[in-house]
Amino acid sequence: QSALTQPASVSGSPGQSITISCTGTSSDVGGYNYVSWYQQHPGKAPKLMIYEVSNRPSGVSNRFSGSKSGNTASLTISGLQAEDEADYYCSSYTSSSTLLVFGGGTKLTVL
Amino acid sequence: QLQLQESGPGLVKPSETLSLTCTVSGGSISSSSYYWGWIRQPPGKGLEWIGSIYYSGSTYYNPSLKSRVTISVDTSKNQFSLKLSSVTAADTAVYYCARHQPATVTTDYWGQGTLVTVSS
Repeated sequence: QSALTQPASVSGSPGQSITISCTGTSSDVGGYNYVSWYQQHPGKAPKLMIYEVSNRPSGVSNRFSGSKSGNTASLTISGLQAEDEADYYCSSYTSSSTLLVFGGGTKLTVL
Repeated sequence: QLQLQESGPGLVKPSETLSLTCTVSGGSISSSSYYWGWIRQPPGKGLEWIGSIYYSGSTYYNPSLKSRVTISVDTSKNQFSLKLSSVTAADTAVYYCARHQPATVTTDYWGQGTLVTVSS
């Protein structure tokens, strides 16, 4: 089972926008609109930020948005704030013999 | 509000079996068609899905761990459990239990995580 591919790190200044990509295959990201994004601060459990590609759970800021094109999903954070500095993970349903696959994670640094 | 809490030994010897339990409160583990799963995170590394069990009892495992993993449910105690056999230092990680939505497998609830160290 191969992990989804994410950049190891991204950075941006407060107020700017950044985008994190998540690349899979037609068996996962490309084949289903079942991509989720999670935010994880140090020492904390991951928090769901986006589900089913582009939906935000109640309570998540509208500065967070998701999209997908082909086998690549993306998370965009607009109006960067210091509190957004964290690790971000994507995940997807997979139709292979498994069920769920995660990306390798992306460390976001707010400069 | 649904809550999940992991419990089990924080230290396991190499070659032995790691056993963890997740207690679910605020909802019944068998009342709805959710998946209940385990995810781990080695120190300084990313998330790795270990496996999940459907409310009906069907199990799904990460192929890389399948030969060593067993996930089971005890509906009478509203708990589900993880057993990982023949552990090595590479199995040292924070282990999270979690709930996944049906069909989409969105992980919407997470436990706080428990660190398990494999060492003699």
